[in-house]
Amino acid sequence: DGGITQSPKYLFRKEGQNVTLSCEQNLNHDAMYWYRQDPGQGLRLIYYSQIVNDFQKGDIAEGYSVSREKKESFPLTVTSAQKNPTAFYLCASTTRGLGRVNTEAFFGQGTRLTVV
Amino acid sequence: AQKITQTQPGMFVQEKEAVTLDCTYDTSDPSYGLFWYKQPSSGEMIFLIYQGSYDQQNATEGRYSLNFQKARKSANLVISASQLGDSAMYFCAMSGGPFGNEKLTFGTGTRLTIIP
Repeated sequence: DGGITQSPKYLFRKEGQNVTLSCEQNLNHDAMYWYRQDPGQGLRLIYYSQIVNDFQKGDIAEGYSVSREKKESFPLTVTSAQKNPTAFYLCASTTRGLGRVNTEAFFGQGTRLTVV
Repeated sequence: AQKITQTQPGMFVQEKEAVTLDCTYDTSDPSYGLFWYKQPSSGEMIFLIYQGSYDQQNATEGRYSLNFQKARKSANLVISASQLGDSAMYFCAMSGGPFGNEKLTFGTGTRLTIIP
């Protein structure tokens, strides 16, 4: 079955450590996204990538980094520079094309990151 | 810049009644898409319904319909005959950009609770 896989589901990090969240999709989607969700709040865009080897900052990119070396993969690194990394992280993907707005985003199951 | 506004942080509705969740948006993109997602307590994001900015008719998917009023920039979700399983967070989202599908922007969500 096609879909998006995020791992791990739960992640604990010590202060000052970098951690990498995995996101893999087998939907052949061009665009991939990372969102952060804090309790009781909406989704805020961290980074997005529309094509391999290219990505753009979203609204809250500080303290995060990404790479897009393969179409299927879009890992997110939460660096020690991120002041408050405890949150729920969601990865999504969509098809992309000129004028193609009518495509839903498919989401992974999310990773819950806790700083201890 | 795109912006989605959901003004109802929480709603309580009696089972079997219809419910309307409000969503207004702002964008300068000529072409855009509007989505509604449901997020149960498990955290996954479930796609419900889509409306394109050039669609003449309001979208419907089973018990879900989207009341699209372009001049008012509103895209309200209507759930008919609500069920206990409808209790969840609901997010309105927009896609758009110069090429149509570059970025997804979410509102802050509405927590819907269905009362037996």
